[in-house]
Amino acid sequence: DIQMTQSPSSLSASVGDRVTITCRASRAISSYLNWYQQKPGKAPKLLIYAASSLQSGVPSRFSGSGSGTDFTLTISSLQPEDFATYYCQQSYSTPRTFGQGTKVEIK
Amino acid sequence: QVTLRESGPALVKPTQTLTLTCTFSGFSLTTSGMCVSWIRQAPGKAPEWLARIDWDDDEYYSTSLKTRLTISKDTSKNQVVLTMTNMDPVDTATYYCARRKWLDSRDYGLDVWGQGTTVTVSS
Repeated sequence: DIQMTQSPSSLSASVGDRVTITCRASRAISSYLNWYQQKPGKAPKLLIYAASSLQSGVPSRFSGSGSGTDFTLTISSLQPEDFATYYCQQSYSTPRTFGQGTKVEIK
Repeated sequence: QVTLRESGPALVKPTQTLTLTCTFSGFSLTTSGMCVSWIRQAPGKAPEWLARIDWDDDEYYSTSLKTRLTISKDTSKNQVVLTMTNMDPVDTATYYCARRKWLDSRDYGLDVWGQGTTVTVSS
């Protein structure tokens, strides 16, 4: 199975900050990487697919980059509704695997 | 509008078999590229992918759970069923189903999720 490792596990940031979350795959996965946002008590929500494609309806302050083993999710200007937990997931091979999550908290 | 909804028992006893149903609308599992996955999430943990069934009847399973899982579909009812045998308290989690699209050799992620159903395993 491909292991996905996110960093950091948590971070504190202020509204308006630029936030970057990193995801590393245990082997190359091309651009088969998705990012999800999850708020407490809710299902995960797809933000980015294929490493850099913005899901319909997702604000443009979210962006993704990377290929191979290293990927990044960037929030250009953090908004109050962005405080949540973010997960990466590889879709290169089955079984699909998720990262352990990054919790974005209010500073 | 694409929707998915999970249903099943809220409480099961250890060693019992869990049967969950995902009822969906807004797409068909007979359409090329459409797939339905099951994912679970234990309290405070990351999501864990369990299984997937595709439009062409291909099935895929979690490596660690494949001996306990069976996924099936009923296209006439727009339903996907997941069974998990020999339930244990560590299987306590919220179970989600989600749609996955595969088009033109491109993966579009798990783009629509159900609200989830919470399953507790306890005697």
